Amino acid sequence: GQNIDQPTEMTATEGAIVQINCTYQTSGFNGLFWYQQHAGEAPTFLSYNVLDGLEEKGRFSSFLSRSKGYSYLLLKELQMKDSASYLCAVRLYNNNDMRFGAGTRLTVKP
Amino acid sequence: DAGVIQSPRHEVTEMGQEVTLRCKPISGHDYLFWYRQTMMRGLELLIYFNNNVPIDDSGMPEDRFSAKMPNASFSTLKIQPSEPRDSAVYFCASSFLGSGGTDTQYFGPGTRLTVL
Repeated sequence: GQNIDQPTEMTATEGAIVQINCTYQTSGFNGLFWYQQHAGEAPTFLSYNVLDGLEEKGRFSSFLSRSKGYSYLLLKELQMKDSASYLCAVRLYNNNDMRFGAGTRLTVKP
Repeated sequence: DAGVIQSPRHEVTEMGQEVTLRCKPISGHDYLFWYRQTMMRGLELLIYFNNNVPIDDSGMPEDRFSAKMPNASFSTLKIQPSEPRDSAVYFCASSFLGSGGTDTQYFGPGTRLTVL
């Protein structure tokens, strides 16, 4: 089976930094994605890593270590609108077969 | 582009009835995915198509579920007969994996299905 693990819930303060971890054990690996999903809405793409290292995109950064089966999403200067679920997803092969983690529900407090 | 379009947005039906969910992918995208999301199981891949051809349907829960993609701009997911445990949000997503294209999946707004 495919295992993708994330914390269920996290809480952080407006203006702070939060790191959401994701570990995976999958039969294949061809990239790791992070999606944001607000309650009642569709997931929207945040970031993509296929090589080891850090990818930065504005307030959001994502890190990947393939040897450790580990990724994290770093959110800086948190805003109230960042309260959402964050989904880690692994693409297994070149054919776009994606498996999602259960998601981490982030609550940003004033 | 209007993005991925799904219909209906909400569907309430009774157990045993047939349900058909519809999806129009983003124009030019060559992959189409059907997902189901529940609190218990999260987001699950049901089936995906490449150039209108089903590639992997191993996520389809049972024979009551079927999906078709008759052309590049339309796909359906059918449940017959429906059961209360099928209640979930069903998402359609599309992506483009062609040369030089991004393979990010873009999700539709989802169909919230309730089977009574």
